[in-house]
Amino acid sequence: GAVVSQHPSRVICKSGTSVKIECRSLDFQATTMFWYRQFPKKSLMLMATSNEGSKATYEQGVEKDKFLINHASLTLSTLTVTSAHPEDSSFYICSATKTAAGDQPQHFGDGTRLSIL
Amino acid sequence: AQTVTQSQPEMSVQEAETVTLSCTYDTSESDYYLFWYKQPPSRQMILVIRQEAYKQQNATENRFSVNFQKAAKSFSLKISDSQLGDAAMYFCAYNFNDYKLSFGAGTTVTVRA
Repeated sequence: GAVVSQHPSRVICKSGTSVKIECRSLDFQATTMFWYRQFPKKSLMLMATSNEGSKATYEQGVEKDKFLINHASLTLSTLTVTSAHPEDSSFYICSATKTAAGDQPQHFGDGTRLSIL
Repeated sequence: AQTVTQSQPEMSVQEAETVTLSCTYDTSESDYYLFWYKQPPSRQMILVIRQEAYKQQNATENRFSVNFQKAAKSFSLKISDSQLGDAAMYFCAYNFNDYKLSFGAGTTVTVRA
């Protein structure tokens, strides 16, 4: 149980385009989803926390107009990278928790490798 | 702010041997949660083990066990009988009741055949 699906797994696009990444909890309802960014051989950097039906909470230094997050249902959150540029190229990972409690582990998607040409 | 420190960027272990990964953290809280996650080359994050701070007993999951020293704010992971499939990057993580994870920098484990 507790499977999180992330799509697409890889995307390559031209500079200036917008890219949408989906994160779905397949067998549970996720009250909270998280979006991370990871550079090669580095740790995960939390970008934002997404709660169903409310606005996402962004971490300091993350541009909310650049990284649009929508959490329209208890099983789906989307991250849209708007007007993407080469510096946005990275590995993006989502995670989800069943309840908003500290003891609940986060279940991760398989990640999306984004390459902007 | 909570910080998590993994002081070993890389560790190498012979197959079937034991390796211990260190992790220290800084917090002023008394109740919190600690996790070890594994990220193999596929880059999927896999939960290895978790520990609740109010429990004195060290958590164990098959070949994986932790040494939780609350006073020292230390949370090391021991991998026994190492297997080739254990090769991965391992992240220590801290979680308070705001349910956000603070990750360490990670330790890359290489298993020698």
